Amino acid sequence: EVQLVQSGVEVKKPGQSLTISCKGSGYSFSTHWIGWVRQMPGKGLEWMGSIYPGDYDTRYSPSSQGQVSISLDESISTVYLHWSSLRASDTAMYFCARCPTGTTSPYFFDYWGQGTLVTVSS
Amino acid sequence: DIVMTQSPDSLAVSLGERATINCKSSQPVLYGSTNKNYLAWYQQKPGQPPNLLIYWASTRESGVPDRFSGSGSGTDFTLTISSLQAEDVAFYYCQQYYYTPLAFGQGTKVEIK
Repeated sequence: EVQLVQSGVEVKKPGQSLTISCKGSGYSFSTHWIGWVRQMPGKGLEWMGSIYPGDYDTRYSPSSQGQVSISLDESISTVYLHWSSLRASDTAMYFCARCPTGTTSPYFFDYWGQGTLVTVSS
Repeated sequence: DIVMTQSPDSLAVSLGERATINCKSSQPVLYGSTNKNYLAWYQQKPGQPPNLLIYWASTRESGVPDRFSGSGSGTDFTLTISSLQAEDVAFYYCQQYYYTPLAFGQGTKVEIK
């Protein structure tokens, strides 16, 4: 069974750093793009970026470029989303999601994690 | 960048009636060499992650009820729920994957009239 299990709720202050994680299981981790999707409170879905474990190719949305970094540890089938300095506007639910295999770039998302709620408040 | 625009923002449909959601891309998402439209649809219920319904504009994901169907090509697409059920109350999003940055529509809320 394919599963993406994300790390738990985070409450942080502005200016703090944060890394959240997404662990894949039940499939060949290295052959599927994994992406991060943000959903701000009461709002829609926004793609932030995706990484391909096979060659570490990483793509970012223009609004996320330079604001976050995406990385992975293939040995534990885990993808990370990192902020070096959080802002109140980073308050959102963050989903990781997997793309189908055999693609040279991110496609649609066939499996999703349960979401990680991040609250940034002073 | 490709911008996705859905209409309407919300709709209320009687149980058993048809619901139709439109999605328009700012550029064509039909790739000539494959003759495929790089367009997907998702359903999101409150407190849950999105769930893939349709990809390649009209291919239903495994396990998705056949009352859900997708159509369209180029820049104009439609998600149809042929006979609305109570469990279909949700937000629905289209997404283009023709190239990065990937983009979602703003979402359409479907309710029971």
